Amino acid sequence: DAKTTQPTSMDCAEGRAANLPCNHSTISGNEYVYWYRQIHSQGPQYIIHGLKNNETNEMASLIITEDRKSSTLILPHATLRDTAVYYCIVRVAPGSARQLTFGSGTQLTVLP
Amino acid sequence: DAGVTQSPTHLIKTRGQQVTLRCSPKSGHDTVSWYQQALGQGPQFIFQYYEEEERQRGNFPDRFSGHQYPNYSSELNVNALLLGDSALYLCASSFGTGDSNQPQHFGDGTRLSIL
Repeated sequence: DAKTTQPTSMDCAEGRAANLPCNHSTISGNEYVYWYRQIHSQGPQYIIHGLKNNETNEMASLIITEDRKSSTLILPHATLRDTAVYYCIVRVAPGSARQLTFGSGTQLTVLP
Repeated sequence: DAGVTQSPTHLIKTRGQQVTLRCSPKSGHDTVSWYQQALGQGPQFIFQYYEEEERQRGNFPDRFSGHQYPNYSSELNVNALLLGDSALYLCASSFGTGDSNQPQHFGDGTRLSIL
């Protein structure tokens, strides 16, 4: 699976959009981009995934560049409860059997 | 709809002992994966069980073993505990080993401390 690069930490004001970047320059054509987050003392929580088209669900939006070498997770109106470590993971196929390879993620802190 | 449940939530053991951690998958899921998360790091894949067999394994010694029961619940066993085994152990469940679109769902883990 392709390796990802994320900033170590980011801050965001409550109520503003949080934009979390992820670089995956070695991504292959059949690899999906997944985002999970982990709130302190909890297990990772699935947020969203996509292949090449932009995706949106009730939690977030995922914007993938045309060359698929980077992506951005957007939390449209961040709240204090969105403070967490956010992991960007690239994995072959949507097959849930494949193991998830976590990096160090981005610590997002939402400030009041 | 109950999610992934793990027990116990916390556990303290001493070096050399053995431990068993338990996981009940989310309703409708039949595949269970285990991860180890050291403090300040991302989770690391240990192994995955499907149809009561180990299907995939990460870079962990054979002191780490598992089991899956017919009801899809799973156990993680660690023998000859080392101080370095202190970590949060996470269980994730999913449906099938094929090209399912469903993501893995995680429990809140078991915090294992080795003294």
